[in-house]
Amino acid sequence: NAGVTQTPKFQVLKTGQSMTLQCAQDMNHEYMSWYRQDPGMGLRLIHYSVGAGITDQGEVPNGYNVSRSTTEDFPLRLLSAAPSQTSVYFCASSFGTGRPLDYGYTFGSGTRLTVV
Amino acid sequence: QKEVEQDPGPLSVPEGAIVSLNCTYSNSAFQYFMWYRQYSRKGPELLMYTYSSGNKEDGRFTAQVDKSSKYISLFIRDSQPSDSATYLCATKDSGAGSYQLTFGKGTKLSVIP
Repeated sequence: NAGVTQTPKFQVLKTGQSMTLQCAQDMNHEYMSWYRQDPGMGLRLIHYSVGAGITDQGEVPNGYNVSRSTTEDFPLRLLSAAPSQTSVYFCASSFGTGRPLDYGYTFGSGTRLTVV
Repeated sequence: QKEVEQDPGPLSVPEGAIVSLNCTYSNSAFQYFMWYRQYSRKGPELLMYTYSSGNKEDGRFTAQVDKSSKYISLFIRDSQPSDSATYLCATKDSGAGSYQLTFGKGTKLSVIP
């Protein structure tokens, strides 16, 4: 099925541990991004990429790292987990250019992360 | 001031009611307007999109944009319990190479049977 696949769906980490959240899309989307969603805060952009080899910071990048070696994959790394990083993380992608409908994001189903 | 403001609700309506969800925005450069629906414990999904001003209708859903007042609306007719979700508005400017959407925080809607 075409779409955005996120793994894992759930994760519990201890403070100080590191981990990578995986995101893959099979729609040949140019643009990919990571958001965190917290109650009352809405979606906040962490990092984004406009193509393989190109990444940039969003609104809340501290404590996170990304890379994009292929069009399909955009992993998010937590360097040293902190309780403040407890959140739901969403990966989103889009064509970014072309028809107006192509500007819309396709979201993954999310990763629920708890840091204790 | 955040660029897109959205009342978080929650909004509770009886089944069959007409629902009006709204956002205001401040950036005159926004040209594309979208509504996303997010069910509990799921990712947002694109529901409607419009370009510039005017209305767009899709079944029970109507998206409306008034650029003069910088106001975005989503109307749901004959609301159903399955419409219970959080609705997020999103906007985008028309700049070339501008990929990013600006989201509202979302309005949580409950449709009571």
